[in-house]
Amino acid sequence: DAKTTQPNSMESNEEEPVHLPCNHSTISGTDYIHWYRQLPSQGPEYVIHGLTSNVNNRMASLAIAEDRKSSTLILHRATLRDAAVYYCILRVASGSARQLTFGSGTQLTVLP
Amino acid sequence: DTAVSQTPKYLVTQMGNDKSIKCEQNLGHDTMYWYKQDSKKFLKIMFSYNNKELIINETVPNRFSPKSPDKAHLNLHINSLELGDSAVYFCASSQIRVSTNEKLFFGSGTQLSVL
Repeated sequence: DAKTTQPNSMESNEEEPVHLPCNHSTISGTDYIHWYRQLPSQGPEYVIHGLTSNVNNRMASLAIAEDRKSSTLILHRATLRDAAVYYCILRVASGSARQLTFGSGTQLTVLP
Repeated sequence: DTAVSQTPKYLVTQMGNDKSIKCEQNLGHDTMYWYKQDSKKFLKIMFSYNNKELIINETVPNRFSPKSPDKAHLNLHINSLELGDSAVYFCASSQIRVSTNEKLFFGSGTQLSVL
């Protein structure tokens, strides 16, 4: 099964950049890397996804290693509202439910 | 308007009871899901429906029965509730069938507590 490994928790200071790492050494060529975040008492929300190239959107940037065995979600300027659990998941092409299961994620704490 | 809405937000009930959680999406999506989040925060897929047709059923006890009256609704009925069913249940939807590229949109969850 394609799996991801993330640190359990990270801290950041407000208004500083945050780099959230994810390892996915068993990734295959057609697997997309997705990031979601879950704010307290809410459902997960989509952040960003990519396949091979780095991606930017209004919420974050996704940096994907050349060998695709790891990726980093970058929040350019953390705010208190970015405190959440961040999930890195692989969307595999097999069509099975494995691609839809989230791991335990990284709890990001933003300090004022 | 809330894109994916589920009710109730909190559900407290006794063991052995039967309960339902309702979910509606107004995004025009074809596919809907039910997820269970346990106390360790793992989110695990339970069911997926595409255009009212069951496409994923992940080793969930048959006490759990999803029902999709139309593609905008996916309700979850649970019979003979057990202590271990206590969790947060999330409904989600996506535009097309399970795909590597597709975004999921989640509801805000239903906290189920079985006493």
